[in-house]
Amino acid sequence: ETGVTQTPRHLVMGMTNKKSLKCEQHLGHNAMYWYKQSAKKPLELMFVYSLEERVENNSVPSRFSPECPNSSHLFLHLHTLQPEDSALYLCASSQDLGYNTGELFFGEGSRLTVL
Amino acid sequence: AQSVAQPEDQVNVAEGNPLTVKCTYSVSGNPYLFWYVQYPNRGLQFLLKYITGDNLVKGSYGFEAEFNKSQTSFHLKKPSALVSDSALYFCAVRAGVSGGYNKLIFGAGTRLAVHP
Repeated sequence: ETGVTQTPRHLVMGMTNKKSLKCEQHLGHNAMYWYKQSAKKPLELMFVYSLEERVENNSVPSRFSPECPNSSHLFLHLHTLQPEDSALYLCASSQDLGYNTGELFFGEGSRLTVL
Repeated sequence: AQSVAQPEDQVNVAEGNPLTVKCTYSVSGNPYLFWYVQYPNRGLQFLLKYITGDNLVKGSYGFEAEFNKSQTSFHLKKPSALVSDSALYFCAVRAGVSGGYNKLIFGAGTRLAVHP
């Protein structure tokens, strides 16, 4: 079983749909992240949760809504998206800083296409 | 502002030749530097990191990276490239430590193409 699992791997949705991306980590980590990867652009940090509390929101439009019900699960709820939101959405986790030297552990990503 | 630059969009290398993928950074304080690799339709995989100590860091799959403080660089290297090394490579720097999590700033990525 991989450390960080993302579902679905592929998602196609219309601009009026509501869908959710799910991430689950099996590593016992305390922090979870959502990154957006668009072609030929640096990875964009969207949200960070530490100990289930949102600690960073990088000016992400409200049509993206994160949820972290516990330290192992992270969701990204999507509604009324735009075609420019089409991208690969990556989830990552990391250990608490007391034991951590900075590595992030990534899932395989969810490829989102907005029509 | 803290940032990472990967000046090459693509690097082409013949199999068996040495490879270098370049990275420069700008960060206040001592840098924590990372390299990640992304194969097609996959997530990012950690390759290696520099925290402190020896400037030459060894990582997975035979890769190594050299930290150069005066040039603010952290170039990724491998003595002999394999076709299977073809992938997208990301350099990253830890921009801050707060709230119990790591804020990594990533470069735009460099595509490595190794030809038989």
